Amino acid sequence: AQSVTQPDIHITVSEGASLELRCNYSYGATPYLFWYVQSPGQGLQLLLKYFSGDTLVQGIKGFEAEFKRSQSSFNLRKPSVHWSDAAEYFCAVGATGTASKLTFGTGTRLQVTL
Amino acid sequence: EPEVTQTPSHQVTQMGQEVILRCVPISNHLYFYWYRQILGQKVEFLVSFYNNEISEKSEIFDDQFSVERPDGSNFTLKIRSTKLEDSAMYFCASRLRPVDTQYFGPGTRLTVL
Repeated sequence: AQSVTQPDIHITVSEGASLELRCNYSYGATPYLFWYVQSPGQGLQLLLKYFSGDTLVQGIKGFEAEFKRSQSSFNLRKPSVHWSDAAEYFCAVGATGTASKLTFGTGTRLQVTL
Repeated sequence: EPEVTQTPSHQVTQMGQEVILRCVPISNHLYFYWYRQILGQKVEFLVSFYNNEISEKSEIFDDQFSVERPDGSNFTLKIRSTKLEDSAMYFCASRLRPVDTQYFGPGTRLTVL
């Protein structure tokens, strides 16, 4: 069964500082990996995804993530955080089946101080 | 840009009542999903639906739950007899093909009193 671990429940960074959110997954084959962002009371917005190919993927809002097979990780990064980035971030893994579900991590809440 | 829409945005019901949550997936998508998120917890898979039948369901999706695609545009989740623990945000999602992004709707917040 697939699973996702986000070790950091809550992270606080200063505006302008760099950010890295950690995500480790467990899946027997090559996974499909996603990062979603959820603002308070809102739905889930896709930041970026990895299916295959280049292991460094670029997303919206200046985010990027790197797939490292050897570490079973898919960490999310941003070089300079903006106050509007404060939200909950979810890493998710999808299996390669026909109608495969997503399995989400528990999320990391990002707080940005001015 | 096409979006997944969900109605209502907030539903309040009494324990034991039936509720139907509605979703309109992106029009040419073929795979449909329901997830839920209990307040403060992670998003959990409920059910996937393809070719007019359930593809996979989780342990949460018991006999009290059912899904239906009654026409070419709507995808519904029915809870026959709601319990307090059904209070959660329910997200609908859809995608076009197996290897693709799932696009989520804004959610329906269900409150069971």
